[in-house]
Amino acid sequence: DGGITQSPKYLFRKEGQNVTLSCEQNLNHDAMYWYRQDPGQGLRLIYYSQIVNDFQKGDIAEGYSVSREKKESFPLTVTSAQKNPTAFYLCASSIGPGQSRLRGANVLTFGAGSRLTVL
Amino acid sequence: GESVGLHLPTLSVQEGDNSIINCAYSNSASDYFIWYKQESGKGPQFIIDIRSNMDKRQGQRVTVLLNKTVKHLSLQIAATQPGDSAVYFCAENAEAGGTSYGKLTFGQGTILTVHP
Repeated sequence: DGGITQSPKYLFRKEGQNVTLSCEQNLNHDAMYWYRQDPGQGLRLIYYSQIVNDFQKGDIAEGYSVSREKKESFPLTVTSAQKNPTAFYLCASSIGPGQSRLRGANVLTFGAGSRLTVL
Repeated sequence: GESVGLHLPTLSVQEGDNSIINCAYSNSASDYFIWYKQESGKGPQFIIDIRSNMDKRQGQRVTVLLNKTVKHLSLQIAATQPGDSAVYFCAENAEAGGTSYGKLTFGQGTILTVHP
C-alpha cells in the first residue's frame, strides 16, 4: 500500500537532547512537509521541501532542522534550541509544483503523526 | 499574516441530521481551499477541495460551498453518521505556484460530535 510512514509514534525526550523524527513515503511525491499541532489548534508549518536537496522554512522553523537527501525521506530534527517541543508532529507529501496543472496537486497526504513529549 | 479561521469550535448533531461546518478566510488572493478530517490521534484525511473559480463542489455525502464575496467556506455533511465524529479543518493556499506551492494555511478546527 502506498502511504506515508512516520516513526516513532511516541517519543520522550529529556531537556537538552536532540531527537529526530522519521518520515518515509512511497507515493513518488516530489514535495514533503512537516507540521506541528498543539492541543486545540490547527497545524503550523515547520519546513517543506519541493524537491530533493532543497527545502524552505515554514512559519515556525526556529529550533528545527531537516534534510532531503532522498525523494522518499524527509527527517525532522527537534533540537535543544526548540524551547517548547512537546507537540504532535505531522509529516505530509504531495505531487510538486512541476505537476501543478494536474488537479489535486495541492492535496497533502498525511502520515499518522509522532507525539513528542519532553520530560 | 493572513489566516483562516472557523466560526464554531464545536458542533453536536444527531445521527442522520445534516451538518454544516463554517470557515472564514481573510486573504482575498486565496485560490484553493481544502477540507480535512482528523480523528483522535491520527493524521488529517482529505475530504474535498475547491478552487476559487468554483462556487460549489460535491462529493460523496459532502458538499463544499465557496462564497468569495464574503470570504466564506462551508462543508456540508449529509446524513451525518457517528463515524463522522472528528475535528474538521479548512485550509487555504494563496499561491498557485512558485515556492509556496502546496503550502497550506490551516484554520483552528471544529469538533464535530455525532450522537446516535
